[in-house]
Amino acid sequence: SAVISQKPSRDICQRGTSLTIQCQVDSQVTMMFWYRQQPGQSLTLIATANQGSEATYESGFVIDKFPISRPNLTFSTLTVSNMSPEDSSIYLCSHWTAQETQYFGPGTRLLVL
Amino acid sequence: GQSLEQPSEVTAVEGAIVQINCTYQTSGFYGLSWYQQHDGGAPTFLSYNALDGLEETGRFSSFLSRSDSYGYLLLQELQMKDSASYFCAVVNQAGTALIFGKGTTLSVSS
Repeated sequence: SAVISQKPSRDICQRGTSLTIQCQVDSQVTMMFWYRQQPGQSLTLIATANQGSEATYESGFVIDKFPISRPNLTFSTLTVSNMSPEDSSIYLCSHWTAQETQYFGPGTRLLVL
Repeated sequence: GQSLEQPSEVTAVEGAIVQINCTYQTSGFYGLSWYQQHDGGAPTFLSYNALDGLEETGRFSSFLSRSDSYGYLLLQELQMKDSASYFCAVVNQAGTALIFGKGTTLSVSS
């Protein structure tokens, strides 16, 4: 599996500000995914990021709130915009491996005050 | 739409066997996956069933019945380190990403 790293690993932010999370994969992958995991909850898919096209957002998530970039096949960013305490979550990026499994990055733990 | 149902919590003692059930509703079913997540960690893949039957990987086994839209994860010889959350998952309707159940928290005591 390609190794995934995320930056920052955690952050504490003030409401109304924005945070950009970076996801780096050590080999080229076609699709990258961004998930949100609210405290004590399951993983919810935010969007699918493909290189060279706009991200595909799931119901309940919009580009203005969660803009995504995918400049190449090894990198993606997710921005959490105009944050509120409800955005406090773990944000995870992932990709498919060859074995029909998804491999997840370590996550970014965000606390919004 | 798609939905997956699994118990929210299961408790067991070391050495025991535990079964975590998952029922799903989805169109375009590709298979059922299971992931483990320790507190503070990332989800990690455990197993994948595309066809009916039992898949065994060490102490963990996973079962699928497509006709019943049902599967389970069986954990044998439980150890304290198995205390974690377990998620069943199916591929979304677009066929591109995973949709996860709400998760089952397993607590193993000595």
